[in-house]
Amino acid sequence: AQSVTQLDSHVSVSEGTPVLLRCNYSSSYSPSLFWYVQHPNKGLQLLLKYTSAATLVKGINGFEAEFKKSETSFHLTKPSAHMSDAAEYFCVVSAAAGNKLTFGGGTRVLVKP
Amino acid sequence: EAQVTQNPRYLITVTGKKLTVTCSQNMNHEYMSWYRQDPGLGLRQIYYSMNVEVTDKGDVPEGYKVSRKEKRNFPLILESPSPNQTSLYFCASSPWTSGSRGFFEQFFGPGTRLTVL
Repeated sequence: AQSVTQLDSHVSVSEGTPVLLRCNYSSSYSPSLFWYVQHPNKGLQLLLKYTSAATLVKGINGFEAEFKKSETSFHLTKPSAHMSDAAEYFCVVSAAAGNKLTFGGGTRVLVKP
Repeated sequence: EAQVTQNPRYLITVTGKKLTVTCSQNMNHEYMSWYRQDPGLGLRQIYYSMNVEVTDKGDVPEGYKVSRKEKRNFPLILESPSPNQTSLYFCASSPWTSGSRGFFEQFFGPGTRLTVL
């Protein structure tokens, strides 16, 4: 069984300040972990993925995430928020067996000028 | 352009009136899946298909049917829609196969917003 908890349903940041989106997971297998972004009225886009290589993963648009097995966490960060980062972000886990994705509840990011 | 398309994008219907949401992909993927998105719940898998004529239930299959007669198409059928099926629906495809190892990205369609009155 696998599950994902995104610890904040909403995050508000000022433009140019750091962004931190928190994610904890549980999985019976060695997990693959991902962050997807959904801009308003758009589909989902893969931001980055962790698949048991380097624990610090770099994604698109300046985002990165760190896999911490001891803390079962996969937090997403960006050093400096941009207005275009306003979107909903989903932390996702995939079991080693099969292609099933389990989504967290989502974190909606608001960026203030 | 490689893509997943869904139709219609928006649909308002009434309880009990059968409807079909189409999904098509042009990437020759074997794996396809349907999800519904509800506030605070993220996306939950409804059904998936690992190949033509092979489909299986996801986490929330009640009230839905699917078929996979061709590799590129994976329609979602609501035989008798109810208001609790009002949601945003996403179709996805992936090059993953049952013999694959490792992660294969899922590519999502643009979504279909369904309202059942």
